[in-house]
Amino acid sequence: AQSVTQLDSQVPVFEEAPVELRCNYSSSVSVYLFWYVQYPNQGLQLLLKYLSGSTLVESINGFEAEFNKSQTSFHLRKPSVHISDTAEYFCAVSGFSGGYNKLIFGAGTRLAVHP
Amino acid sequence: GAGVSQSPSNKVTEKGKDVELRCDPISGHTALYWYRQSLGQGLEFLIYFQGNSAPDKSGLPSDRFSAERTGGSVSTLTIQRTQQEDSAVYLCASSFLSGAGGTYEQYFGPGTRLTVT
Repeated sequence: AQSVTQLDSQVPVFEEAPVELRCNYSSSVSVYLFWYVQYPNQGLQLLLKYLSGSTLVESINGFEAEFNKSQTSFHLRKPSVHISDTAEYFCAVSGFSGGYNKLIFGAGTRLAVHP
Repeated sequence: GAGVSQSPSNKVTEKGKDVELRCDPISGHTALYWYRQSLGQGLEFLIYFQGNSAPDKSGLPSDRFSAERTGGSVSTLTIQRTQQEDSAVYLCASSFLSGAGGTYEQYFGPGTRLTVT
């Protein structure tokens, strides 16, 4: 069975500091990995995804995540955060089973950026 | 283009009543998903529809929950005899899956916040 662990429920950080949100997964099959972001009172938005190819993936707003198969991790990083990055971040995994797929989410990490 | 839409945005109902939640997926998306987001359980998969295949109902928490998708487009999630523990935000998502089964990102709607009093 697949599962996703986000090791930190909350991450406080000062503006312009770097941040890393950790995500580990367990799966017996090949997986696709996603990070979704949920801003206050808004729906889920895809931030970035890993399907195949380069293990380092980037988003348009400066976040990046690296797929590490040996450590079964997909940590999200940003070298310098902004106040506007305050949100909840969800790591998710999907894989194939019988030709269909669904997302298994981690519990989420609340990123709070302080001035 | 238009994203996934859900209605109503908020629903307050009394315990024991039935509720219907609606989802309009992105036009052309073949797959539709329902998830539930609650404080105690996080984001949970409920049900998945793909084309004309039988839906994957493995995430439905009880037989009070059911869903249908008419004409391969709009979907309705029905909760019968609602209980207080059903209070949550119900999220719908859609995606486009190729014939080879490749996975594509899921686009989420804004959700329906259900409160059972």
